[in-house]
Amino acid sequence: NAGVMQNPRHLVRRRGQEARLRCSPMKGHSHVYWYRQLPEEGLKFMVYLQKENIIDESGMPKERFSAEFPKEGPSILRIQQVVRGDSAAYFCASSPTGGGGYTFGSGTRLTVV
Amino acid sequence: AQKITQTQPGMFVQEKEAVTLDCTYDTSDQSYGLFWYKQPSSGEMIFLIYQGSYDEQNATEGRYSLNFQKARKSANLVISASQLGDSAMYFCAMREDDSGGGADGLTFGKGTHLIIQP
Repeated sequence: NAGVMQNPRHLVRRRGQEARLRCSPMKGHSHVYWYRQLPEEGLKFMVYLQKENIIDESGMPKERFSAEFPKEGPSILRIQQVVRGDSAAYFCASSPTGGGGYTFGSGTRLTVV
Repeated sequence: AQKITQTQPGMFVQEKEAVTLDCTYDTSDQSYGLFWYKQPSSGEMIFLIYQGSYDEQNATEGRYSLNFQKARKSANLVISASQLGDSAMYFCAMREDDSGGGADGLTFGKGTHLIIQP
C-alpha cells in the first residue's frame, strides 16, 4: 500500500530552465495539495486539485507556476524559467474523497543554480 | 495576522523528560481542525496527531497528546518521556472550515526545532 510518491527527490535546474515535479497520490485519494517550504520556514499552501480540476490556487504565484492533475497519471507542478528564489522543498499531500487526513510525500528539493 | 503561531523557535530537553510545544491559532470559523507534524532531518513530513474543534476530549496518540484549550485558541503538543529520536522540527497546522470534506489546505506555523539531549 504505497504512500504518496514524489519524484524526483532532488532536482537541480539552471536559471531559466523548467522544473517539473511529479506527485502520485495514495491509492483511493482524489484530492492533491501542493506546498512549498522555504529554508527555515513552515509549509505554505500553493494549490489544491482534484482530477482534471483546479479547486483552489490561491497560494500559487501568478506567473511561471502551473499545476495539473490529469485523469490518468500523476499530478504535475510546473515551474517555468526558474529563478534562484524558487529553490525550496516542494511537498505534495493527498487525501481521500469526502474527507480524512492528509498524507504527505517525501518532497522534492529543488535547487536553482 | 498570523493564523498559526509557534513561539518557540528552538528547544533543548533532556532525554526522558516531558516536552510541551506551544501553538496558538487564529480563526473565526466554528469548525476547524488542528494538526501536528514532525519533520526529521531527512525532510519528510510525519503526521502525529489531530484535534477537531468539536472534539470534547484532548487527542492522544501513544506518547503524543494535544492540550486543546479552545477559549485560549491554544493547541499545545505534549510529548511524554522524550527520546533521542524525537529530535526534529515540529509544525502545528490548521484546516479551517473543517467540515470533513478534506477540501481545504493546511496553514502551517513556522515550527519549533526540538533537540533531545542524552
